[in-house]
Amino acid sequence: GENVEQHPSTLSVQEGDSAVIKCTYSDSASNYFPWYKQELGKRPQLIIDIRSNVGEKKDQRIAVTLNKTAKHFSLHITETQPEDSAVYFCAASGANYGQNFVFGPGTRLSVLP
Amino acid sequence: EAQVTQNPRYLITVTGKKLTVTCSQNMNHEYMSWYRQDPGLGLRQIYYSMNVEVTDKGDVPEGYKVSRKEKRNFPLILESPSPNQTSLYFCASSFSGNEQFFGPGTRLTVL
Repeated sequence: GENVEQHPSTLSVQEGDSAVIKCTYSDSASNYFPWYKQELGKRPQLIIDIRSNVGEKKDQRIAVTLNKTAKHFSLHITETQPEDSAVYFCAASGANYGQNFVFGPGTRLSVLP
Repeated sequence: EAQVTQNPRYLITVTGKKLTVTCSQNMNHEYMSWYRQDPGLGLRQIYYSMNVEVTDKGDVPEGYKVSRKEKRNFPLILESPSPNQTSLYFCASSFSGNEQFFGPGTRLTVL
């Protein structure tokens, strides 16, 4: 089955700097890669996702890149702000309706003022 | 308001006492799923359902049962809970397995 690894497990950056979180997956059949943000005591919420037919996607300060050949994808956050502090999870799925989702173990991002 | 609800939000029980955690969504989503969240392990999928009467195992289905008799509801059943099922449980729903909307979570403690 699918296996998703995520690094680093913790990340501290200064406010205004960029943050990068990397994930690798094992199943070449996976074709949907979402990123979720979970603030302390709250539920996970989708922040950005990418499909395997796209190499990069941006949404304001957040971007995701996908390298299908190497089977890895990354989350990039620019101009970090204190409210970006949270745990971030990557996931991989076959996602053509009804495939299971496999999440990475998470990265705790701290943005220091 | 579009939402996913779970009940109860907190539950302390004893080993072997059957329990059910309910999950309901009002967005007419076909896809529903249950996850457990444990420190350092992320979210692990227990079961998912593509539609009414269609369920499938995720990565950690042992000790759990689910049913999908109605589109809006997807209860999680622990027939004989054990301490290793102490965890934070999330239900989620989506259209066709895309963006998932998570419920508020159920914190379960099995003594």
